[in-house]
Amino acid sequence: GENVEQHPSTLSVQEGDSAVIKCTYSDSASNYFPWYKQELGKRPQLIIDIRSNVGEKKDQRIAVTLNKTAKHFSLHITETQPEDSAVYFCAASGDTGNQFYFGTGTSLTVIP
Amino acid sequence: GAGVSQTPSNKVTEKGKYVELRCDPISGHTALYWYRQSLGQGPEFLIYFQGTGAADDSGLPNDRFFAVRPEGSVSTLKIQRTERGDSAVYLCASSSYPGQEAFFGQGTRLTVV
Repeated sequence: GENVEQHPSTLSVQEGDSAVIKCTYSDSASNYFPWYKQELGKRPQLIIDIRSNVGEKKDQRIAVTLNKTAKHFSLHITETQPEDSAVYFCAASGDTGNQFYFGTGTSLTVIP
Repeated sequence: GAGVSQTPSNKVTEKGKYVELRCDPISGHTALYWYRQSLGQGPEFLIYFQGTGAADDSGLPNDRFFAVRPEGSVSTLKIQRTERGDSAVYLCASSSYPGQEAFFGQGTRLTVV
């Protein structure tokens, strides 16, 4: 089955700086890669996703890049704000969408 | 409904008891997923429904766990003879079709004492 690894597990940045979170996956058949933000005690919320037919997608301060050859994808948050502080999960899913394989999460802290 | 709804939000039960956790997906969503999340971990897959049938139940840890979705909408996760190790947040998610973005419920926090 699919194995998704996520790094780093914790990340602290100064407000206004950029944050980058990286994930790798093992199954070349995976073709959908969502990112979720989870605040303490709350449900995971989809913030951005990318499909394997594109290499990059951007939504305001958030961007995701995908390298299918290397089987890795990254989340980039620019101009970080304190409200960006949360745990971020990457995930990978195959063609049939059987399940989403999640990474172990990155706890992001933005220091004001 | 407006989003995925799970009930109860919290459940405390004694070891050995039976529990049922309910998930109301977004109306019209055909795919429904159950996940389990322990503190500091990512969601762990349990089971996936496409319509009424369990398309993939490979994540269920043992035969004490069972889930149904009889009419293709609401789903119930059933846990028999609960153990302390079953304590976790149980998350449900739904998507319009397989491979589309999945929306999560707020979860049921199960505590087995």
